[in-house]
Amino acid sequence: GAGVSQSPSNKVTEKGKDVELRCDPISGHTALYWYRQSLGQGLEFLIYFQGNSAPDKSGLPSDRFSAERTGGSVSTLTIQRTQQEDSAVYLCASSTMTSGGYNEQFFGPGTRLTVL
Amino acid sequence: SQQGEEDPQALSIQEGENATMNCSYKTSINNLQWYRQNSGRGLVHLILIRSNEREKHSGRLRVTLDTSKKSSSLLITASRAADTASYFCATGGFQKLVFGTGTRLLVSP
Repeated sequence: GAGVSQSPSNKVTEKGKDVELRCDPISGHTALYWYRQSLGQGLEFLIYFQGNSAPDKSGLPSDRFSAERTGGSVSTLTIQRTQQEDSAVYLCASSTMTSGGYNEQFFGPGTRLTVL
Repeated sequence: SQQGEEDPQALSIQEGENATMNCSYKTSINNLQWYRQNSGRGLVHLILIRSNEREKHSGRLRVTLDTSKKSSSLLITASRAADTASYFCATGGFQKLVFGTGTRLLVSP
């Protein structure tokens, strides 16, 4: 079946512009996550959606970052007034609780954002 | 700060050799997972070990867990050039996973 997809795969923007990154999770997965990975670094949690519950936004680095998930499926991560330090690969993952009660996340290929 | 810290940060070996990478974490866990990342893109789940398990195997992968030391190791036996990637440990609940800093593995033919 189809995995997690993200678009665009690459985005180059100028400092100060807004960008939108899209994630299509695996059908039926109730949980959706956004992470950020700066060059040569580990993954930094940004936000988590679970069903119709209020999202966990504790990882968002500033109020320039926001995300929504429409209809419990597709998600959009928006960065307003981009800064050069926002340059990173933005990874989306989806998950569903297994019968064993653990959380295996399935990742998309990521969007590489470059802010000039 | 990152929950997990991997070491070494980078590892370079020849095909056929074994590769061992280690992960330390800070708080109590229910399980620990290992992921692989190729070319700085999406991660792929490799294996999960539960807190009541000490060792687990999957193909050429062997994972150990020592909860008393808050550490785990990933062993890749008979490595191949295709194993070249970054490897991350991850802990956490359903709300989110906290990833370590990763080990970059290079397997040369």
